Amino acid sequence: EAQVTQNPRYLITVTGKKLTVTCSQNMNHEYMSWYRQDPGLGLRQIYYSMNVEVTDKGDVPEGYKVSRKEKRNFPLILESPSPNQTSLYFCASSQPTLSGNEQFFGPGTRLTVL
Amino acid sequence: GNSVTQMEGPVTLSEEAFLTINCTYTATGYPSLFWYVQYPGEGLQLLLKATKADDKGSNKGFEATYRKETTSFHLEKGSVQVSDSAVYFCALRDSGYSTLTFGKGTMLLVSP
Repeated sequence: EAQVTQNPRYLITVTGKKLTVTCSQNMNHEYMSWYRQDPGLGLRQIYYSMNVEVTDKGDVPEGYKVSRKEKRNFPLILESPSPNQTSLYFCASSQPTLSGNEQFFGPGTRLTVL
Repeated sequence: GNSVTQMEGPVTLSEEAFLTINCTYTATGYPSLFWYVQYPGEGLQLLLKATKADDKGSNKGFEATYRKETTSFHLEKGSVQVSDSAVYFCALRDSGYSTLTFGKGTMLLVSP
């Protein structure tokens, strides 16, 4: 089954404790992206990657890091989480085409930073 | 830059009512337009899309027409069901490799 998986689905942590949210896709997609969803703000892009070893900042990259060492994986790293990073996070992947192409989303990771 | 504006929710309807969720956009070039749906506790799923002016996307009884002259992509359904209760996001992408720009989402609540 074609899918994007994220782990963990739920995480409660404390300020300053480094964490990683994993994302993996099995569709051989080149493009992967991380979003955060907050009430009243919709989805905002954090980072994206157009291929292995190619990453770039989205709209709200501060406080986050990513890496793309393999095509299928795109982990999101919070080196020193803060309460304002409490949010619902989504990973997505797609295969770019000249016309519009669908992004496939993971189920989400709900992060609470105390 | 690109932007998407959606009507604020929640939109509250009775079953079998007609639905319209307005979406307008600002973009350079000729974007592709999308509607995504998020059911409670789930990720986003593509509902429909349109890639050029006057295209109509349709799926599961939902429709939206790409109107370049009014820069709009309004979502419609003739008869909503309780199972349509979800958050709906309008989005655009202006090239195959560019990022999706989302609206803030509109919650739809359908009562029996």
